[in-house]
Amino acid sequence: QSALTQPPSASGSPGQSVTISCTGTTNDVGFYKYVSWYQHHPGKAPKVIIFEVDKRPSGVPDRFSGSKSGKTASLTVSGLQADDEADYYCSSYAGNNKYVFGTGTKVTVL
Amino acid sequence: EAQLVESGGGLVQPGGSLRLSCIASGVSSKNHAMTWVRQAPGKGLEWVSLISGGGERTHYADSVKGRFTISRDDSKNAIYLQMNSLRAEDTALYYCARDSGYDSLYNNFDPWGLGTQVTVSS
Repeated sequence: QSALTQPPSASGSPGQSVTISCTGTTNDVGFYKYVSWYQHHPGKAPKVIIFEVDKRPSGVPDRFSGSKSGKTASLTVSGLQADDEADYYCSSYAGNNKYVFGTGTKVTVL
Repeated sequence: EAQLVESGGGLVQPGGSLRLSCIASGVSSKNHAMTWVRQAPGKGLEWVSLISGGGERTHYADSVKGRFTISRDDSKNAIYLQMNSLRAEDTALYYCARDSGYDSLYNNFDPWGLGTQVTVSS
Protein backbone atom coordinates (compact mmCIF):
# COMPACT_ATOMS: atom_id res chain seq x y z
CA GLN A 1 0.00 0.00 0.00
CA SER A 2 1.69 3.22 -1.14
CA ALA A 3 1.34 6.37 0.91
CA LEU A 4 -0.99 9.06 -0.37
CA THR A 5 0.89 11.98 -1.92
CA GLN A 6 0.92 15.34 -0.18
CA PRO A 7 3.13 18.39 -0.76
CA PRO A 8 5.94 18.46 1.83
CA SER A 9 5.19 22.01 2.88
CA ALA A 10 2.71 24.85 2.65
CA SER A 11 2.70 28.31 4.15
CA GLY A 12 0.67 31.46 4.52
CA SER A 13 0.48 34.64 6.51
CA PRO A 14 -1.95 35.04 9.40
CA GLY A 15 -5.46 35.51 8.08
CA GLN A 16 -4.68 33.95 4.71
CA SER A 17 -5.81 30.55 3.45
CA VAL A 18 -3.78 27.50 2.60
CA THR A 19 -4.93 24.41 0.72
CA ILE A 20 -3.25 21.01 0.98
CA SER A 21 -3.79 18.31 -1.62
CA CYS A 22 -3.81 14.57 -1.05
CA THR A 23 -3.60 12.33 -4.08
CA GLY A 24 -4.33 8.64 -3.98
CA THR A 25 -5.68 6.02 -6.33
CA THR A 26 -8.98 4.57 -7.45
CA ASN A 27 -8.51 1.97 -4.69
CA ASP A 28 -8.52 4.44 -1.82
CA VAL A 29 -9.29 8.17 -2.07
CA GLY A 30 -10.96 7.76 -5.43
CA PHE A 31 -13.31 5.04 -4.22
CA TYR A 32 -14.17 5.62 -0.56
CA LYS A 33 -15.77 8.52 1.28
CA TYR A 34 -13.76 7.59 4.38
CA VAL A 35 -11.06 10.20 3.95
CA SER A 36 -9.84 11.97 7.06
CA TRP A 37 -7.37 14.71 7.92
CA TYR A 38 -5.26 14.76 11.07
CA GLN A 39 -3.45 17.70 12.63
CA HIS A 40 -0.27 16.87 14.50
CA HIS A 41 1.69 19.27 16.61
CA PRO A 42 5.03 17.49 17.24
CA GLY A 43 5.18 16.09 20.73
CA LYS A 44 1.42 16.10 21.06
CA ALA A 45 -1.29 13.60 20.19
CA PRO A 46 -2.57 13.79 16.62
CA LYS A 47 -6.11 15.13 16.29
CA VAL A 48 -8.78 14.44 13.69
CA ILE A 49 -10.02 17.64 12.08
CA ILE A 50 -11.95 16.26 9.11
CA PHE A 51 -13.60 12.87 8.60
CA GLU A 52 -15.67 11.39 5.78
CA VAL A 53 -14.17 13.91 3.33
CA ASP A 54 -15.84 17.07 4.63
CA LYS A 55 -17.25 16.52 8.11
CA ARG A 56 -15.85 18.38 11.12
CA PRO A 57 -15.83 16.86 14.60
CA SER A 58 -17.42 19.00 17.25
CA GLY A 59 -15.00 21.60 18.52
CA VAL A 60 -13.07 21.93 15.26
CA PRO A 61 -13.44 25.47 13.87
CA ASP A 62 -15.18 25.94 10.55
CA ARG A 63 -11.95 27.49 9.29
CA PHE A 64 -11.03 23.89 8.45
CA SER A 65 -12.81 22.41 5.45
CA GLY A 66 -12.37 19.31 3.33
CA SER A 67 -13.34 18.26 -0.17
CA LYS A 68 -12.64 15.58 -2.72
CA SER A 69 -12.56 15.33 -6.48
CA GLY A 70 -11.70 12.04 -8.07
CA LYS A 71 -8.52 10.65 -6.57
CA THR A 72 -7.55 13.91 -4.84
CA ALA A 73 -8.77 15.16 -1.50
CA SER A 74 -8.06 18.65 -0.23
CA LEU A 75 -7.90 20.41 3.12
CA THR A 76 -8.32 24.18 3.27
CA VAL A 77 -7.39 26.16 6.34
CA SER A 78 -8.86 29.64 6.20
CA GLY A 79 -7.99 32.58 8.38
CA LEU A 80 -4.62 31.10 9.32
CA GLN A 81 -3.66 31.42 12.96
CA ALA A 82 -0.33 30.81 14.66
CA ASP A 83 -1.65 27.64 16.29
CA ASP A 84 -2.41 26.16 12.88
CA GLU A 85 1.31 25.66 12.38
CA ALA A 86 1.57 21.88 12.49
CA ASP A 87 1.93 18.75 10.38
CA TYR A 88 -1.18 17.65 8.53
CA TYR A 89 -1.85 14.10 7.32
CA CYS A 90 -4.61 12.84 5.11
CA SER A 91 -5.77 9.26 5.46
CA SER A 92 -8.09 6.99 3.54
CA TYR A 93 -9.69 3.60 4.00
CA ALA A 94 -8.05 1.47 1.32
CA GLY A 95 -10.26 -1.60 1.22
CA ASN A 96 -9.45 -5.08 2.51
CA ASN A 97 -9.53 -3.75 6.08
CA LYS A 98 -6.52 -1.52 5.58
CA TYR A 99 -5.81 2.19 5.81
CA VAL A 100 -3.26 4.44 4.19
CA PHE A 101 -1.89 7.77 5.37
CA GLY A 102 -0.48 10.60 3.36
CA THR A 103 3.16 11.65 3.31
CA GLY A 104 2.38 14.66 5.47
CA THR A 105 2.49 18.42 4.95
CA LYS A 106 4.20 20.87 7.25
CA VAL A 107 2.20 24.07 7.44
CA THR A 108 4.13 27.20 8.39
CA VAL A 109 2.43 30.42 9.44
CA LEU A 110 4.69 33.21 8.26
CA GLU B 1 -10.67 14.32 30.09
CA ALA B 2 -10.55 11.59 27.48
CA GLN B 3 -7.09 10.19 27.02
CA LEU B 4 -5.19 7.15 25.88
CA VAL B 5 -1.86 6.27 27.44
CA GLU B 6 0.60 3.96 25.71
CA SER B 7 3.42 2.10 27.44
CA GLY B 8 5.79 -0.80 26.96
CA GLY B 9 8.18 0.69 24.45
CA GLY B 10 11.94 0.44 24.76
CA LEU B 11 15.19 -0.66 23.17
CA VAL B 12 15.22 -4.19 21.77
CA GLN B 13 17.61 -6.15 19.58
CA PRO B 14 16.65 -7.26 16.09
CA GLY B 15 14.63 -10.44 16.31
CA GLY B 16 13.40 -9.56 19.77
CA SER B 17 9.90 -8.97 21.12
CA LEU B 18 7.97 -6.24 22.90
CA ARG B 19 4.40 -5.90 24.14
CA LEU B 20 2.83 -2.46 23.97
CA SER B 21 -0.17 -1.48 26.07
CA CYS B 22 -2.73 1.28 25.65
CA ILE B 23 -5.04 2.19 28.52
CA ALA B 24 -8.08 4.39 27.97
CA SER B 25 -9.28 6.74 30.69
CA GLY B 26 -12.15 9.17 30.61
CA VAL B 27 -13.33 7.43 27.46
CA SER B 28 -14.67 3.97 26.84
CA SER B 29 -13.09 1.74 24.23
CA LYS B 30 -15.92 -0.78 24.54
CA ASN B 31 -17.67 -1.46 21.23
CA HIS B 32 -15.20 0.78 19.43
CA ALA B 33 -12.53 -0.40 17.03
CA MET B 34 -9.07 0.43 18.34
CA THR B 35 -6.00 0.97 16.24
CA TRP B 36 -2.20 1.30 16.35
CA VAL B 37 -0.41 3.82 14.13
CA ARG B 38 3.35 4.41 14.08
CA GLN B 39 5.71 7.16 13.03
CA ALA B 40 9.31 6.34 12.17
CA PRO B 41 11.93 9.04 12.86
CA GLY B 42 11.53 11.87 10.37
CA LYS B 43 8.75 10.03 8.56
CA GLY B 44 4.98 10.26 8.33
CA LEU B 45 2.24 8.25 9.97
CA GLU B 46 1.78 4.59 9.06
CA TRP B 47 -1.25 2.52 9.99
CA VAL B 48 -0.23 -0.72 11.73
CA SER B 49 -3.22 -2.66 13.04
CA LEU B 50 -6.88 -2.48 14.10
CA ILE B 51 -9.10 -4.63 16.29
CA SER B 52 -12.89 -4.63 16.10
CA GLY B 53 -15.07 -3.48 18.96
CA GLY B 54 -15.61 -6.98 20.29
CA GLY B 55 -12.16 -8.27 19.46
CA GLU B 56 -13.46 -10.86 17.01
CA ARG B 57 -11.67 -9.39 14.02
CA THR B 58 -8.11 -8.13 13.68
CA HIS B 59 -6.47 -6.44 10.73
CA TYR B 60 -2.83 -5.71 9.93
CA ALA B 61 -0.65 -3.77 7.54
CA ASP B 62 1.30 -6.05 5.21
CA SER B 63 4.54 -4.81 6.77
CA VAL B 64 3.70 -6.37 10.16
CA LYS B 65 1.36 -9.22 9.32
CA GLY B 66 2.52 -12.49 10.83
CA ARG B 67 4.82 -10.72 13.31
CA PHE B 68 2.47 -8.45 15.29
CA THR B 69 -0.69 -9.42 17.18
CA ILE B 70 -3.30 -6.95 18.42
CA SER B 71 -5.62 -7.85 21.29
CA ARG B 72 -7.92 -6.14 23.79
CA ASP B 73 -9.20 -6.54 27.35
CA ASP B 74 -12.33 -4.48 27.79
CA SER B 75 -12.43 -5.23 31.51
CA LYS B 76 -9.25 -3.11 31.74
CA ASN B 77 -10.19 -0.66 28.99
CA ALA B 78 -6.96 -1.73 27.32
CA ILE B 79 -5.53 -2.84 24.01
CA TYR B 80 -2.19 -4.47 23.36
CA LEU B 81 0.26 -4.98 20.53
CA GLN B 82 2.53 -8.01 20.76
CA MET B 83 5.48 -7.40 18.47
CA ASN B 84 7.71 -10.33 17.56
CA SER B 85 10.63 -10.76 15.16
CA LEU B 86 11.32 -7.05 15.39
CA ARG B 87 13.36 -5.36 12.66
CA ALA B 88 15.25 -2.09 12.49
CA GLU B 89 12.49 -0.69 10.27
CA ASP B 90 9.99 -1.18 13.10
CA THR B 91 11.73 1.62 15.01
CA ALA B 92 9.06 4.25 15.54
CA LEU B 93 6.80 6.09 17.95
CA TYR B 94 3.72 3.90 18.33
CA TYR B 95 0.36 5.59 18.90
CA CYS B 96 -2.95 4.02 19.81
CA ALA B 97 -6.26 5.60 18.90
CA ARG B 98 -9.97 4.88 19.13
CA ASP B 99 -12.08 4.64 15.99
CA SER B 100 -15.64 5.90 15.83
CA GLY B 101 -16.98 2.64 14.45
CA TYR B 102 -17.10 -0.99 15.55
CA ASP B 103 -14.85 -2.38 12.82
CA SER B 104 -12.66 -1.14 10.00
CA LEU B 105 -13.89 1.40 7.45
CA TYR B 106 -14.68 4.62 9.28
CA ASN B 107 -11.15 6.01 9.59
CA ASN B 108 -12.16 8.48 12.30
CA PHE B 109 -9.43 8.02 14.88
CA ASP B 110 -10.05 10.05 18.02
CA PRO B 111 -8.64 10.39 20.60
CA TRP B 112 -5.00 9.44 20.24
CA GLY B 113 -2.34 8.91 22.85
CA LEU B 114 1.09 10.54 23.02
CA GLY B 115 2.82 7.37 21.89
CA THR B 116 5.51 5.02 23.17
CA GLN B 117 8.94 4.79 21.54
CA VAL B 118 10.18 1.50 20.15
CA THR B 119 13.81 1.28 19.06
CA VAL B 120 15.15 -1.85 17.38
CA SER B 121 18.93 -1.85 17.34
CA SER B 122 21.88 -4.03 18.23
